[in-house]
Amino acid sequence: DTGVSQDPRHKITKRGQNVTFRCDPISEHNRLYWYRQTLGQGPEFLTYFQNEAQLEKSRLLSDRFSAERPKGSFSTLEIQRTEQGDSAMYLCASSLSTGGSGNTIYFGEGSWLTVV
Amino acid sequence: AQKITQTQPGMFVQEKEAVTLDCTYDTSDPSYGLFWYKQPSSGEMIFLIYQGSYDQQNATEGRYSLNFQKARKSANLVISASQLGDSAMYFCAMRRPSGGYNKLIFGAGTRLAVHP
Repeated sequence: DTGVSQDPRHKITKRGQNVTFRCDPISEHNRLYWYRQTLGQGPEFLTYFQNEAQLEKSRLLSDRFSAERPKGSFSTLEIQRTEQGDSAMYLCASSLSTGGSGNTIYFGEGSWLTVV
Repeated sequence: AQKITQTQPGMFVQEKEAVTLDCTYDTSDPSYGLFWYKQPSSGEMIFLIYQGSYDQQNATEGRYSLNFQKARKSANLVISASQLGDSAMYFCAMRRPSGGYNKLIFGAGTRLAVHP
């Protein structure tokens, strides 16, 4: 049983470049989430998919950010025209959708982004 | 506003002793879930324990227990018999029905250092 996997684990990019992160959720999980975490803070919700449908987006997700989950399995998070403020760890998570508050959300190891 | 507060930026504990990490929350929803996650330096958020708002008993998972005081809106994590490997960041999080339990709201975290 593999957990949530993310790639790449680390990315250094120049300001203005585009970057893309990939997330492979736990295989039977139909919900997939993206969070962002900056130093000294807890993770903040960015967006959420149920199967291939993107059902919720945070106002933190500016127009430069786009997330997809084309076949309801893996997901990508693309950041266009990166800015130094985008430097953070981007965490992917997945869960089942059987309802209620108790479905555990399992996280990956995160993708660290540094914009120079 | 829905909010999680962790008032202890850092905690120290001697190996083999117990430690309590504080968490208070604010919500007007009668139904909610509370989670604790551990984040080692590698970055992965590791699920530790869950408490539902209607659960009558405090949750326990091995060396972890949750001291749930609903009237005080607190959900403190108790780690018994601390081990060196427990050194990490610990995050308290809440999940609410608003939006269909689709996201976790995290506190700022507590850094725990276990000393030999």
